[in-house]
Amino acid sequence: NAGVTQTPKFRILKIGQSMTLQCTQDMNHNYMYWYRQDPGMGLKLIYYSVGAGITDKGEVPNGYNVSRSTTEDFPLRLELAAPSQTSVYFCASSRDDGQGLISYEQYFGPGTRLTVT
Amino acid sequence: KNQVEQSPQSLIILEGKNCTLQCNYTVSPFSNLRWYKQDTGRGPVSLTIMTFSENTKSNGRYTATLDADTKQSSLHITASQLSDSASYICVVRDMDSNYQLIWGAGTKLIIKP
Repeated sequence: NAGVTQTPKFRILKIGQSMTLQCTQDMNHNYMYWYRQDPGMGLKLIYYSVGAGITDKGEVPNGYNVSRSTTEDFPLRLELAAPSQTSVYFCASSRDDGQGLISYEQYFGPGTRLTVT
Repeated sequence: KNQVEQSPQSLIILEGKNCTLQCNYTVSPFSNLRWYKQDTGRGPVSLTIMTFSENTKSNGRYTATLDADTKQSSLHITASQLSDSASYICVVRDMDSNYQLIWGAGTKLIIKP
């Protein structure tokens, strides 16, 4: 199993450009997540999905969009890139994220380092 | 505001030595607390997950402890190896805000030969 894969690994965008960050998992996980990680800060949740066709906003969704047409894929779209979106983006997946005492671990991809200038 | 604070921010120790990393949180109520290891340029990898009723959990040379009364957790690494060089992140699951995960900023650990 490849786990969670992300493309591209690095990207430089000009202000106002758009792009899509790709994420695929082969573990048949229902839950998928997009995070951003800024230097010296904890991960921030952008969007998440509990299954194909279902997405919801996280803590910092502004400037981003997602879709979930299949269990495997969860692309993140950046529209009108801004310097504030310079960050490292991580995609993750997990089994049913039980909303009780037991939760399943999240598996992360290798990340996409994005610079907006 | 729910927070997860880790200390120290960074730590350098010699190979073979033990170390303890600290995590203080204000999240309440919480359902579980996690420790992740993140190698440079890689995504985080789960080390342990503890529910609020657990006091300790081990994963090889890693032992996590939890004191829910004082809202503190620690990660103890024994007989450190060069491969332990990484950032260690404490994460608390908030039961009130739709079970959101609150991530700490991490402790950067460097093991020197």
